[in-house]
Amino acid sequence: QIHLRESGPGLVRPAETLSLTCTVSGGSFDSDNWWSWVRLPPGKGLEWVGEISQSGRTNYKLSLKSRVSMSIDTSQNRISLRLNSVTAADTAVYYCARSPDVWGQGTQVIVSS
Amino acid sequence: DIDLTQTPLSLSVTPGQPASISCRSSQSLPQFNGKTYLYWYLQKPGQPPQLLIYEASNRVSGVPERFSGSGSGADFTLKISRVEAEDVGVYYCMQSIDPQVTFGEGTTVDIK
Repeated sequence: QIHLRESGPGLVRPAETLSLTCTVSGGSFDSDNWWSWVRLPPGKGLEWVGEISQSGRTNYKLSLKSRVSMSIDTSQNRISLRLNSVTAADTAVYYCARSPDVWGQGTQVIVSS
Repeated sequence: DIDLTQTPLSLSVTPGQPASISCRSSQSLPQFNGKTYLYWYLQKPGQPPQLLIYEASNRVSGVPERFSGSGSGADFTLKISRVEAEDVGVYYCMQSIDPQVTFGEGTTVDIK
């Protein structure tokens, strides 16, 4: 059974770059899969951040497009998220998901000085 | 973007009673390959979202039969035939037919 695990720093300073990694285990990257990042800000609802295919095609939320990038390393079974110039509004639990059915446990990211 | 509006935003239900959540899209969701890319999730506190219903009306394996999804076009519904205590949490609808994937605002269900 496939498992996803997010990792990265829990605290990021304002204006710096948030970098997260999603490690996939118990399965492999399939050509039909898309891998998503979704976040849950405190007190708010789920927000889709973007997605990446096995071949590296990306699709980002338009309002984040200027600050976000995703990459995939099929040799390491890893998907990465980078979000530049973060503000307090980027504070959230970040989830990696194999769309639409398998989700990681999420990782808390707080943006604060 | 396709906006998804959920009603109600909160619901308090007596155990054993039915519950219904509506998800209305700002535009009709087109089908692709005969499928409607509308999903329902339940998120319990401290847990990731759990997929309940995929392609509008298909129950995920292992999800209790009391959960059902229906609808087409711009109107979708999640029904729980008899609510149980373990059903508390926040329910979200999500569409992925549009490249800009969107979620509804979420409906919080608790037990009376």
